[in-house]
Amino acid sequence: AAGVIQSPRHLIKEKRETATLKCYPIPRHDTVYWYQQGPGQDPQFLISFYEKMQSDKGSIPDRFSAQQFSDYHSELNMSSLELGDSALYFCASSARQGLVPSFGQGTRLTVV
Amino acid sequence: DQQVKQNSPSLSVQEGRISILNCDYTNSMFDYFLWYKKYPAEGPTFLISISSIKDKNEDGRFTVFLNKSAKHLSLHIVPSQPGDSAVYFCAASATSGGSNYKLTFGKGTLLTVNP
Repeated sequence: AAGVIQSPRHLIKEKRETATLKCYPIPRHDTVYWYQQGPGQDPQFLISFYEKMQSDKGSIPDRFSAQQFSDYHSELNMSSLELGDSALYFCASSARQGLVPSFGQGTRLTVV
Repeated sequence: DQQVKQNSPSLSVQEGRISILNCDYTNSMFDYFLWYKKYPAEGPTFLISISSIKDKNEDGRFTVFLNKSAKHLSLHIVPSQPGDSAVYFCAASATSGGSNYKLTFGKGTLLTVNP
């Protein structure tokens, strides 16, 4: 069965650079969530989209932005990267804001 | 403020015995609880869930118990198998009020099942 696809799997950027993470939800899933998991930390909710509209916002820095496109894929844009942005970034998707989101394999971002 | 707490960072059990992973929560708005399992370099995989209208949900070797008055839930795995070794995350969501079911996670418990 198709799962949530995230790209790239690994990304290395320098401080103050920009990064774009992509998420392709499970087919027919219309809700996307983004989470950030720092080293030794629990996943923290960043932002979510339902039917291409932002539906909720968590602890997402102002330097980050995200959107969901007409094909339901989502992109997380991160600017002015800081060392502390190094983390695993997970995308999850669900159908009609379903109760059990399915997670992608994550993008490991390293800022040097 | 950690709204979902997993106070045991790690747990080690023998193959064939029972594993009990615990989770506490503080937000009384939470009414849906999930357990995810995570292997290194992979995303969390859904394991089992329970709604606050129930106190027990069972799926094969996995059973989740919910004690609403104590704001406590536990995941029982019996019998434990070496392949169960992973990090287990407890997560909670508030499904009323249109909160779109974002999950609040605990810090996870690393379960090691020894052969």
